[in-house]
Amino acid sequence: GESVGLHLPTLSVQEGDNSIINCAYSNSASDYFIWYKQESGKGPQFIIDIRSNMDKRQGQRVTVLLNKTVKHLSLQIAATQPGDSAVYFCAENSNAGGTSYGKLTFGQGTILTVHP
Amino acid sequence: DAGVIQSPRHEVTEMGQEVTLRCKPISGHNSLFWYRQTMMRGLELLIYFNNNVPIDDSGMPEDRFSAKMPNASFSTLKIQPSEPRDSAVYFCASSMRTGNNEQFFGPGTRLTVL
Repeated sequence: GESVGLHLPTLSVQEGDNSIINCAYSNSASDYFIWYKQESGKGPQFIIDIRSNMDKRQGQRVTVLLNKTVKHLSLQIAATQPGDSAVYFCAENSNAGGTSYGKLTFGQGTILTVHP
Repeated sequence: DAGVIQSPRHEVTEMGQEVTLRCKPISGHNSLFWYRQTMMRGLELLIYFNNNVPIDDSGMPEDRFSAKMPNASFSTLKIQPSEPRDSAVYFCASSMRTGNNEQFFGPGTRLTVL
C-alpha cells in the first residue's frame, strides 16, 4: 500500500527577510515552552524558551511570543540567513519543575528554507 | 563539554537480530529521555528516566523494546528481535530536573533493519 508520512508545514523565505513560525499547543496546563532547531542529520538543538508567566522573550535574532488565550506560540527570526534552514519544533511541558520530571511534548515541526 | 554521546551513529542489521543503542548523558544531568524519529510519526518519546529510575515507558512500542539505566552516566535501548519497521533515528536527550527543563539532544543513531 501507499505509505503516508507527515506533511510538515513549510516556510520559504529570502535571505534577509524575517521569518515567523507558528505552533498551536493543546494542553492549557502547559507552563513551559521551548523552540528547537533540527538540521539535517543532527539532533534537535535548543533555540529559546519561555515560561507561561511571560508573553514575549527575546534572544539573539530570535523572539518567542506566547498567547495563552488561544494556546499559540510563535518563533520570529530576524534577518533570516541560509544557515537558519532547518526543521523547527515547538515543545511544551506541563508542571515544569514539579513532579512531571520535565517531560516535553513535541509538535510535528515546520520546515524553513532560506534562499540566498 | 562533550554533550550527550550516542553510539553507534549508524547501525544496519537484519531482521530478527538484537540491536543495542547506547547513550551517555551530560554529566550532572539526572533525567534521560529516549526518542524515536520517523517520517511517518515525527519525534516520539519512548521512555524517560529520572535518577536512573524509569518514570514513564508508555511510549515504548512493544515488548521487543527495553531500556535500562544502570548508572547515572549510561543508558541502553535494546530491540530484540528487530523488525524493518523499527528503522528510524533514535535520539537520547538529558536534562536537569531542576531549572528550566531544557533537554539536550545527542546526535542520534540511525538504525536500518533490513
